[in-house]
Amino acid sequence: SQQGEEDPQALSIQEGENATMNCSYKTSINNLQWYRQNSGRGLVHLILIRSNEREKHSGRLRVTLDTSKKSSSLLITASRAADTASYFCATGETSGSRLTFGEGTQLTVNP
Amino acid sequence: GAVVSQHPSWVICKSGTSVKIECRSLDFQATTMFWYRQFPKQSLMLMATSNEGSKATYEQGVEKDKFLINHASLTLSTLTVTSAHPEDSSFYICSADSLFRAADTGELFFGEGSRLTVL
Repeated sequence: SQQGEEDPQALSIQEGENATMNCSYKTSINNLQWYRQNSGRGLVHLILIRSNEREKHSGRLRVTLDTSKKSSSLLITASRAADTASYFCATGETSGSRLTFGEGTQLTVNP
Repeated sequence: GAVVSQHPSWVICKSGTSVKIECRSLDFQATTMFWYRQFPKQSLMLMATSNEGSKATYEQGVEKDKFLINHASLTLSTLTVTSAHPEDSSFYICSADSLFRAADTGELFFGEGSRLTVL
């Protein structure tokens, strides 16, 4: 069963703008990860944040985690047309590698 | 990052036939492989978890006799869709993990996916 809900389901912005996607989950987690999927392709890991962390950065990506609200956000700054893809959050309930994926956000960055 | 290869990347078959999809870890030993199914514009649904040398663990609602999973070696897992029907048409994605990784990053490595179309 799906753990996470993401919003918005779809987001369309102009190049250079920031994109923020949110993810909520229901159970206790060990970690939360964000993945990117180009249409018809596999998934690419973007960033992982552990349950004892609140914020993490990687290049133009910034992820926050609020375990009290069971939510996370992914911010992509200075977006580019190449960032157009679907973005999924995934939660790991234990330290093992079984993940449960959210519904995803389809991001379109217009040039 | 580690490389996971899936084959075929797409396949079209007739209803009633069986289709085998391979998932290979090219540069590491995959002690665990996961098989996901993804319908258009939807998320990934975990179908089963396979550990090398043992039987796969299937998620609730996934028919183990229909979706046969074999993980006979540390570099190869196969998913066979038996007696495929049009409703089995989907995007199947595998991911791999290894207990031998030096650092537990939690990251999974995904294949490129296999699109199955059953006519």
